[in-house]
Amino acid sequence: GAGVSQSPRYKVAKRGQDVALRCDPISGHVSLFWYQQALGQGPEFLTYFQNEAQLDKSGLPSDRFFAERPEGSVSTLKIQRTQQEDSAVYLCASSRDRGREQYFGPGTRLTVT
Amino acid sequence: AQTVTQSQPEMSVQEAETVTLSCTYDTSESDYYLFWYKQPPSRQMILVIRQEAYKQQNATENRFSVNFQKAAKSFSLKISDSQLGDAAMYFCAYRSLSGAGSYQLTFGKGTKLSVIP
Repeated sequence: GAGVSQSPRYKVAKRGQDVALRCDPISGHVSLFWYQQALGQGPEFLTYFQNEAQLDKSGLPSDRFFAERPEGSVSTLKIQRTQQEDSAVYLCASSRDRGREQYFGPGTRLTVT
Repeated sequence: AQTVTQSQPEMSVQEAETVTLSCTYDTSESDYYLFWYKQPPSRQMILVIRQEAYKQQNATENRFSVNFQKAAKSFSLKISDSQLGDAAMYFCAYRSLSGAGSYQLTFGKGTKLSVIP
């Protein structure tokens, strides 16, 4: 079946602009995760959803970052007033349940100029 | 908090040869999972192999095997008969089995593996 998809694959934003990054998880996967991967680094956890409930947002770096999953399927990560330090690849992963294997999407590379 | 360290930023191996990637981690927990993920240039992260800490036997998946040393908190990946398609970034990752963070993965910084024809 289809894997995790993310859009757009690439996004260039001017500093101060708002951006929205979309994640389509594997159908039926109740758990969804967002990770941020800075250049030359490993991914770092941002937030976690179980169905539509955001159970952990401890990794979000500032209140400019907001994530939602209103119907328990598609998720959107929104970054307001983007800053240069927000430049990174944003990875989405889904799993059948919280303890199961996480399947990753291809990521969205965000460049803030 | 758990930390994962990969001390080899880059490695290279001749095609058909064997290479070992190193990973150490720090935790106070006794039960957890360890993973090796592969990230090719297309950026889709793929699970290579998984090890449960309570299992003494080292995990193997075809040409991939691990050397898990729990007391030393070491978790290395051995790739045998290296192929050109093995070229990628390899990330070691940790996940707790219980507690508040039992779903999130903690990654190392990665090792870039090049395969020489």
